[in-house]
Amino acid sequence: NAGVTQTPKFRVLKTGQSMTLLCAQDMNHEYMYWYRQDPGMGLRLIHYSVGEGTTAKGEVPDGYNVSRLKKKQNFLLGLESAAPSQTSVYFCASRDSRDYVLRELFFGEGSRLTVL
Amino acid sequence: SQQGEEDPQALSIQEGENATMNCSYKTSINNLQWYRQNSGRGLVHLILIRSNEREKHSGRLRVTLDTSKKSSSLLITASRAADTASYFCATDYGPKGGSEKLVFGKGTKLTVNP
Repeated sequence: NAGVTQTPKFRVLKTGQSMTLLCAQDMNHEYMYWYRQDPGMGLRLIHYSVGEGTTAKGEVPDGYNVSRLKKKQNFLLGLESAAPSQTSVYFCASRDSRDYVLRELFFGEGSRLTVL
Repeated sequence: SQQGEEDPQALSIQEGENATMNCSYKTSINNLQWYRQNSGRGLVHLILIRSNEREKHSGRLRVTLDTSKKSSSLLITASRAADTASYFCATDYGPKGGSEKLVFGKGTKLTVNP
């Protein structure tokens, strides 16, 4: 029962470096999300996807790019030029678009990113 | 900007006591959800209450919703040390049937002392 898996779990970057966070889910969910969590700020939505090949901006999209490849179980979050302000814990989540009753999100365990 | 705001930001109680957390939001919603996050872990869904419901129960959890005041409360009865976690409300405020995304509040950090 893997659910939502994020890799890597921890990463340290230098300012200006690039990296990609990978989210994979095995529940065949259409909807996938990337959130960031900062102390005292709760969770803020970065980007999301409502299906294979589609992405949309959330509340704080600047500095990030995403892709939802043909393999709809994967959702990638990219930082092209990392900045210290992007130091955060990143959470991926998914939801079944057909579930009009529960509508709950399933979360990964998080990826802790530090930008020096 | 965030839709939900939890109150209090932090709560410390003794084992066996009840814990009440509140959430206020700004615009009309389809449903409101509560999530729990243990330290260093991902969020886990606890309960959902729809806009046409006023109260819902799940085990030791009781959630109320007052749409006229745009507020919700989460009550945990007979708390245990294992209930120590942060609790978040999340609002679904899209068109009828719900939107694609949830908006989370900043959370209440609950500490239950043994």
